[in-house]
Amino acid sequence: GAVVSQHPSRVICKSGTSVKIECRSLDFQATTMFWYRQFPKQSLMLMATSNEGSKATYEQGVEKDKFLINHASLTLSTLTVTSAHPEDSSFYICSARGRQGNTDTQYFGPGTRLTVL
Amino acid sequence: LAKTTQPISMDSYEGQEVNITCSHNNIATNDYITWYQQFPSQGPRFIIQGYKTKVTNEVASLFIPADRKSSTLSLPRVSLSDTAVYYCLVGAGLYSSASKIIFGSGTRLSIRP
Repeated sequence: GAVVSQHPSRVICKSGTSVKIECRSLDFQATTMFWYRQFPKQSLMLMATSNEGSKATYEQGVEKDKFLINHASLTLSTLTVTSAHPEDSSFYICSARGRQGNTDTQYFGPGTRLTVL
Repeated sequence: LAKTTQPISMDSYEGQEVNITCSHNNIATNDYITWYQQFPSQGPRFIIQGYKTKVTNEVASLFIPADRKSSTLSLPRVSLSDTAVYYCLVGAGLYSSASKIIFGSGTRLSIRP
């Protein structure tokens, strides 16, 4: 199956700093990437949809100025958590939409554990 | 967006066949049904995808009735390593635009020795 990578796998930062998370589709081109957040024992929550070359579409309740998304190429999307606070500590997961045969499928990255002190 | 309903949790034993059913009454004509597996602190892993009838791969089977309002993921002869959360998702249809997929609560499957 298709491979999606994320970097870093875990990051610890001080409150008030910004953190950038990269999501790459390694063996396919992804016109659309998605960013999710997951708190312990909960399901994945969609934060935003990122289309290559255009602005991201954010879900209701997600601050676009706090969670900056850039989808500069068909294989790379980045999520920057600006002025991070302890409540932003979570597991962030990206996914990329790719074509397998005649169907579109989302492939997920391994996730990034963010801890804000 | 089609909403899905799954059992919150299920228990089974090693070597048994496990069937997890998902309801999706509002599935659209061009929607596919996809199942993912997630282990703690990992991203979801694609298991299987289907549109109708039955699909089988090396790890699971997916049964979809004619009305497509539900689907059943079948895991043959489970092992302890199959303990995970399983998500049923609906969307990403054939030749569709970039529709988003919303996760439901998933089914927490626990396998006992």
